[in-house]
Amino acid sequence: ILNVEQSPQSLHVQEGDSTNFTCSFPSSNFYALHWYRWETAKSPEALFVMTLNGDEKKKGRISATLNTKEGYSYLYIKGSQPEDSATYLCAFSNAGNMLTFGGGTRLMVKP
Amino acid sequence: EAQVTQNPRYLITVTGKKLTVTCSQNMNHEYMSWYRQDPGLGLRQIYYSMNVEVTDKGDVPEGYKVSRKEKRNFPLILESPSPNQTSLYFCASSLLRTDHSYEQYFGPGTRLTVT
Repeated sequence: ILNVEQSPQSLHVQEGDSTNFTCSFPSSNFYALHWYRWETAKSPEALFVMTLNGDEKKKGRISATLNTKEGYSYLYIKGSQPEDSATYLCAFSNAGNMLTFGGGTRLMVKP
Repeated sequence: EAQVTQNPRYLITVTGKKLTVTCSQNMNHEYMSWYRQDPGLGLRQIYYSMNVEVTDKGDVPEGYKVSRKEKRNFPLILESPSPNQTSLYFCASSLLRTDHSYEQYFGPGTRLTVT
């Protein structure tokens, strides 16, 4: 079983704060790194898929970077809003098309 | 509307009584997958399929079966459910690209309780 770890497990921030969290994954046999956003009582929704070392993706106030050589990805949220409250999941894809998820970072943004 | 549907959404059953959770997608996706979500363990992949008649084990396949007879459907079968299969189950689908740059679309989830 591949080890994909996310930190921190949970995070409380004030509205307007910027925040970031980490996903670490095996650096060998890498194909893609996915980020998903999962709101309570809903289904996970895709944010980004990154495949190349040095990739940076941005969607509104949310951005992500990828370092495949050292096996980590950062997700950044600029100016957090209460509607950003969710669990953020990363997932690692290897050659076999299997997708291994991390445990998630639960973000709570207080108004 | 592009979507992944699962049925049933909620199910309470007893140990040993065979059940099937259906999953269907209308996006002509090649890749389909089943996950279970348990507190503290995150999402774990049970089985996945890259196309019709092609299925592979994920991280936790024991106690489950799947089939992919048609592109749109990927049912999850529990031949003899046990209480440790009580969980929240998600089906997902995506296109299949050689660089794995596919975004998965998740179904609404099925909450299964086995007593």
